[in-house]
Amino acid sequence: DADVTQTPRNRITKTGKRIMLECSQTKGHDRMYWYRQDPGLGLRLIYYSFDVKDINKGEISDGYSVSRQAQAKFSLSLESAIPNQTALYFCATGGDRGGNTGELFFGEGSRLTVL
Amino acid sequence: SQKIEQNSEALNIQEGKTATLTCNYTNYSPAYLQWYRQDPGRGPVFLLLIRENEKEKRKERLKVTFDTTLKQSLFHITASQPADSATYLCALVPSNYQLIWGAGTKLIIKP
Repeated sequence: DADVTQTPRNRITKTGKRIMLECSQTKGHDRMYWYRQDPGLGLRLIYYSFDVKDINKGEISDGYSVSRQAQAKFSLSLESAIPNQTALYFCATGGDRGGNTGELFFGEGSRLTVL
Repeated sequence: SQKIEQNSEALNIQEGKTATLTCNYTNYSPAYLQWYRQDPGRGPVFLLLIRENEKEKRKERLKVTFDTTLKQSLFHITASQPADSATYLCALVPSNYQLIWGAGTKLIIKP
């Protein structure tokens, strides 16, 4: 089984619909991230969480919200999806900050298409 | 603003040769620099990291160099194989662990 699991892997939806992407991890990591990837652009950070009570906005948080339900679960929501949110979304985890090198472990991605 | 650049054009290399990918950055002094491999439709996979006080790091056929004066990292794959074909991403690691990513370079190894 994968260490970082994302569901759904693929989703097609319509403008204005609410969408939730879920991420769960078995690595026991505190840090969890949501990124989006668009062709020709680097991974862009949407939200990140350093523990269950710590949620932080990334560089492109507008139009998105997150929930850290437990150490192992981090969900990304699009309250009202729009076509320019069509992208490949990745969840990632990382270990403790102290003495850590910042290595991230990624899920397989969730491809979202908004029509 | 912080900027990290990788060659956007695909790099075509003959099997057995050394592939060299470049990562340049501006306006930042990272603590670490990481390299990841990404296959189509998959998540990035960590390969190597190099610290700011290290000049070179090796792992099997992979070698990474880090020149903080030039603000550049080079990623080398020696004795390249078709299975090395993928997109390679570099990422700067600042003290807050919010990685700053390059867009990646697609490497194609031809038999």
